[in-house]
Amino acid sequence: SYVLTQPPSVSVAPGKTARITCGGNNIGSKSVHWYQQKPGQAPVLVIYYDSDRPSGIPERFSGSNSGNTATLTISRVEAGDEADYYCQVWDSSSDHPDWVFGGGTKLTVL
Amino acid sequence: QVQLQESGPGLVKPSGTLSLTCAVSGGSISSSNWWSWVRQPPGKGLEWIGEIYHSGSTNYNPSLKSRVTISVDKSKNQFSLKLSSVTAADTAVYYCARASGEISYYMDVWGKGTTVTVSS
Repeated sequence: SYVLTQPPSVSVAPGKTARITCGGNNIGSKSVHWYQQKPGQAPVLVIYYDSDRPSGIPERFSGSNSGNTATLTISRVEAGDEADYYCQVWDSSSDHPDWVFGGGTKLTVL
Repeated sequence: QVQLQESGPGLVKPSGTLSLTCAVSGGSISSSNWWSWVRQPPGKGLEWIGEIYHSGSTNYNPSLKSRVTISVDKSKNQFSLKLSSVTAADTAVYYCARASGEISYYMDVWGKGTTVTVSS
């Protein structure tokens, strides 16, 4: 099945830009979705279809996807952005649909 | 807006069956959405378990397929998960979620999650 690879951790100072990557074979040909999960809470969708933001998600959150890497970019990072972030694709290449999540990246705000 | 609420026993004995229900409020389970179960073992990432459409069509994670049954009750606007022959490895927070999209899908509404521990 399809595999998504994320770095376990990313650290960034407040006010700076955080970039969280999600690697997969020719991931640029798929749509990538991103979730934010704070401790003890359910995941929240922050980016869908590579770069679209649900209502209520700040413009500081953006996404891109090309080649073998998708990237979630958080600009002007705030303390409240500290969380785990997961990428996800919906893979229909086999005989059954498959929801695939990356292993997650812990974003630490220094 | 649509809200989801999981319910069920928080403790299940090894070799037993885990049973959870997800109540849908603020919308109809008969909408054009799939409805999923996702779990998260302590300190680990997200794992998709399976999904159901209001027609009763289902898709399951191949790694769990032999033990999983997901069903829907349109009269009660809810869907359910049964996981049989559980072991300690099934201890996790279980979430229900709504799937949306076209061609590619994402989960845009999640329940708060319920913790299930497998222990004697």
